[in-house]
Amino acid sequence: DIQMTQSPSSLSASVGDRVTITCRASQGISSYLNWYQQKPGKAPKLLIYAASSLQSGVPSRFSGSGSGTDFTLTISSLQPEDFATYYCQQSYSTPCSFGQGTKLEIK
Amino acid sequence: EVQLVESGGGLVQPGRSLRLSCAASGFTFDNYAMHWVRQPPGKGLEWVSGISWNSNNIGYADSVKGRFTISRDNAKNSLYLQMNSLRDEDMALYYCAKDRYGDLDASDIWGQGTMVTVSS
Repeated sequence: DIQMTQSPSSLSASVGDRVTITCRASQGISSYLNWYQQKPGKAPKLLIYAASSLQSGVPSRFSGSGSGTDFTLTISSLQPEDFATYYCQQSYSTPCSFGQGTKLEIK
Repeated sequence: EVQLVESGGGLVQPGRSLRLSCAASGFTFDNYAMHWVRQPPGKGLEWVSGISWNSNNIGYADSVKGRFTISRDNAKNSLYLQMNSLRDEDMALYYCAKDRYGDLDASDIWGQGTMVTVSS
C-alpha cells in the first residue's frame, strides 16, 4: 500500500502570506495526486486533481505541482476563508490513501 | 442540483452489522465511480472503499477488507456499504463521494455524512 506523508502537520500564517504544503508518497504515483480542503463541521472540498489541475470554481490563488513522489500545494496570498485543514490523496492505486492533514491556522 | 444523501448510520454494538446507503441525484449516476470515506471524531480522513461505474473495479482499505462490502444499484442511483463485524475503531462519520471519472480517482462531490457509533 502507498503511504502519504504531509508536512507540516500544522502551520500558522497571516492573511496575504504565501503558503506551501508538501505531500510525499512512499512510492511513485505519477500525477495521481489530489488536494482537498476541509473546514470544521463540513465535508471536504476538492481543490486540485491530477497534481496540478484546478477544480472548477476554485480560486486561482490555489495551485499544485509535482510528480512521482513529491508534491506541493501553494496558496499564493492567504485569504481569511482559507484557514482550514488540507489533505492530499493518491489515486494511483487502491487503497486511495490520504495524508494525515495539515491544519492551517491564523497567526 | 448535484446531491448525495447518506443514511443508515446509528449506534451499533461491537461485532454487529450495519448497512449504509447513499442516494444520488442531479447527475448521471451510472457514469461515475463512487467512494466511501470516513472520519473518526477529531481525526483525519480515511478512504474506506471505492467502486467503478460498472462495479468491475472495487477496492478496500486494509482495515476493512473482508468485513465491509461496497455495492451500487445504478437503476436506483444508489451506493451501499455493508459493514459486518464492526469494531470500536470503525466509529466515524462516513461520507459518500462521487468520483470525477468512471474509474477510481478524485472525489468532486461529497455528501454531509452519516455517523456510525460503535459501543456496547
